Amino acid sequence: QKEVEQNSGPLSVPEGAIASLNCTYSDRGSQSFFWYRQYSGKSPELIMSIYSNGDKEDGRFTAQLNKASQYVSLLIRDSQPSDSATYLCAVNRGGDDKIIFGKGTRLHILP
Amino acid sequence: ETGVTQSPTHLIKTRGQQVTLRCSSQSGHNTVSWYQQALGQGPQFIFQYYREEENGRGNFPPRFSGLQFPNYSSELNVNALELDDSALYLCASSGGTQVNGYTFGSGTRLTVV
Repeated sequence: QKEVEQNSGPLSVPEGAIASLNCTYSDRGSQSFFWYRQYSGKSPELIMSIYSNGDKEDGRFTAQLNKASQYVSLLIRDSQPSDSATYLCAVNRGGDDKIIFGKGTRLHILP
Repeated sequence: ETGVTQSPTHLIKTRGQQVTLRCSSQSGHNTVSWYQQALGQGPQFIFQYYREEENGRGNFPPRFSGLQFPNYSSELNVNALELDDSALYLCASSGGTQVNGYTFGSGTRLTVV
C-alpha cells in the first residue's frame, strides 16, 4: 500500500461548482497534513495545512481530516478556471517527521 | 525576507556525467529537503539536511548525495547520471519542524540524454 494515495484524475468541475479532492494515507502516526497546488511547469505551493480532526476553512478552501479513517480531503467552493492545477496531498511520516507526497489529482475547471 | 532559490533552472546532461544542483534556503530556515518529481508523479523524498547533517533519506541510491553549508544553503549531487534521473528537482526549506509545511524553490529541470 502506497503511503499517500490520490486519484490521479483528471477531475472536471464546472465553474462555480464545488470541487472535492480526496486523499488517504497509511501511517497512523502521521500528525500533519497538507494540500499543495502545482501549476504545470511550476513548483508546489502550500495552500492548506490541517492537524486536528474536523474542518479547517480558509477563504474558498476547506480541508477536512478524519484520522480514524486515515482520510484527508480538500473542498474548493465557487471553483474558478484559475483553480485548474494539480493538487498534491502531503503527510508527515510519523516515524521521522518527513513530508511524503501523493501523486496528485489533476483538476480541470470548465468555464 | 528572501524565499528559496534554486540554480540552475534548467540543465541538460549526458548519461554517465555528474551534476550539482544548488539551493539557498529561506531566511531563518535551518532545514533543507530535496525532492525528485518525475513527469506526472508526485515529489519523491530524496533526503533532508538539518544543521549540516543528513537527517533522513528516502529510497534513492548512494549516487545521490548532498551537503548543507553553515549558512544553511545546500547542494544535491548526482553521480553516474541515468536517463531516469530526468526530472524536476525541488528544494524545500523549513524552520526545523515540518508542522508548518515546506516552502519550495522554483526547481531545477534536469534532462539526461
